Amino acid sequence: QVQLQESGPGLVKSSETLSLTCSVSGASISDYYWSWIRQAPGKGLEWIGYIDYSGSVKYSPSLKSRVSISVDMSKNQFSLKLSSATAADTAVYYCASYSGSTLDFWGQGTLVTVSS
Amino acid sequence: EIVLTQSPDTLSLSPGERATLSCRASQSVSRYLNWYQQKPGQAPRLVIYDASIRATGIPDRFRGSGSGTDFTLTISRIEPEDFAVYHCQHRSNWPYTFGQGTMLEIK
Repeated sequence: QVQLQESGPGLVKSSETLSLTCSVSGASISDYYWSWIRQAPGKGLEWIGYIDYSGSVKYSPSLKSRVSISVDMSKNQFSLKLSSATAADTAVYYCASYSGSTLDFWGQGTLVTVSS
Repeated sequence: EIVLTQSPDTLSLSPGERATLSCRASQSVSRYLNWYQQKPGQAPRLVIYDASIRATGIPDRFRGSGSGTDFTLTISRIEPEDFAVYHCQHRSNWPYTFGQGTMLEIK
């Protein structure tokens, strides 16, 4: 069974960089695309972007100027960096595997609060 | 960017009743439309993919239909464990987007 676990600071100061890591077990990084999705309090889901094992990435146009997703095959992890964070970036952040058609396996999610 | 609009925002029904949830796309997504179920404090779970195919382990009371711009998720007889938020999501072209969600609540 594929399992994903997000880790990183739960509190980020405004204007700083939000950084999260997703550790993958039960699958190799080369098996899927790897996604970051977020959900602001009381809101819907927003797909931030995804990466494949070769490092090819897709970013949401609305976040493209601030976001970076990378993969570390040696650690079976992938990461998210979102620069110049604001209160609007406060959300539960999920990592998930993407098969090319469906988001199959998800982490439990981690709440990141951006404070001034 | 394709906008997905779900209706209604909230659906109040009793166990055993039939639920009909709608998802409308701002332009055609062919059949590249998925449905996810999300319970409080949990990550979403895939229910239906490619408009009408049930995901592994999903009971046959869940049925997806539609193509182009109009899609429906039907739960034939609601069970207590079905009360949750349902999100539609397309993969027609990037960026893939989600609807705002429909909350299925106990009446």
